[in-house]
Amino acid sequence: AQTVTQSQPEMSVQEAETVTLSCTYDTSESDYYLFWYKQPPSRQMILVIRQEAYKQQNATENRFSVNFQKAAKSFSLKISDSQLGDAAMYFCAYFESNYQLIWGAGTKLIIKP
Amino acid sequence: DAGVTQSPTHLIKTRGQQVTLRCSPKSGHDTVSWYQQALGQGPQFIFQYYEEEERQRGNFPDRFSGHQFPNYSSELNVNALLLGDSALYLCASFPGGFYNEQFFGPGTRLTVL
Repeated sequence: AQTVTQSQPEMSVQEAETVTLSCTYDTSESDYYLFWYKQPPSRQMILVIRQEAYKQQNATENRFSVNFQKAAKSFSLKISDSQLGDAAMYFCAYFESNYQLIWGAGTKLIIKP
Repeated sequence: DAGVTQSPTHLIKTRGQQVTLRCSPKSGHDTVSWYQQALGQGPQFIFQYYEEEERQRGNFPDRFSGHQFPNYSSELNVNALLLGDSALYLCASFPGGFYNEQFFGPGTRLTVL
C-alpha cells in the first residue's frame, strides 16, 4: 500500500529565512502526482504546489519550490523568504489511479518574527 | 464563485446518534471526495462520488455512507456514532472523472460525546 511519511512534526524558522520540509513516500507506481497542502487555523486546505511524477523538472510557485527525487521517493518543500502568513500545518499528499489522496501526518511550521 | 461549501460548521452529537454532513462542490465540479481528519493527523480518505455513484472507498466501516445528488452536491451520513468519530470532515471537489486539482471546503467539526 502507498504510504506518505513526514518525519518532522514541527519546524520553526526566522522570518525572511528559508526552511525545508521533508516528505518521503512509498509506491510501486511510475505515474502519480505529489502535492503540498497548507492548512492554516481556519482549517481550509490550500494547495501550495504540485508535481507530476513524469516531469523531471522541479515545480516552483513563487517562494515555494520542491526537490523531487523520484528514485529516492523523496519530495521536500522549500519555502524562501518565510513570512508570518506561512505559519500553518503543511501536509504532503500522494495521488494515483485509485482516486484517493494519501496524506502524511503533517508538519507544523512556526515563523518567528 | 462560492468555492466548496460545507454545512454545518460545527456539530455536537452523542454516542449512538446519526449525523448527516453536507457539501456543495465548486461550480463546474462533478466529483466529490470526503475525508476524515482526526485531531493532529492527516486526512483519511472515506469515499468518492462521481456521476451519483460511489466510485472508490477507503478503509471505513459501513456506518459511513454517502450520496451524490444530480446537482453534484453530496451528503455524508454516519450511523451509530462512536467517540472515535470525532474529527474534522473535509469535502473536496474537482472537475472531470479522473484527476484534477482538488478544492477543499472549510470542513465540519464533529464532536461525539
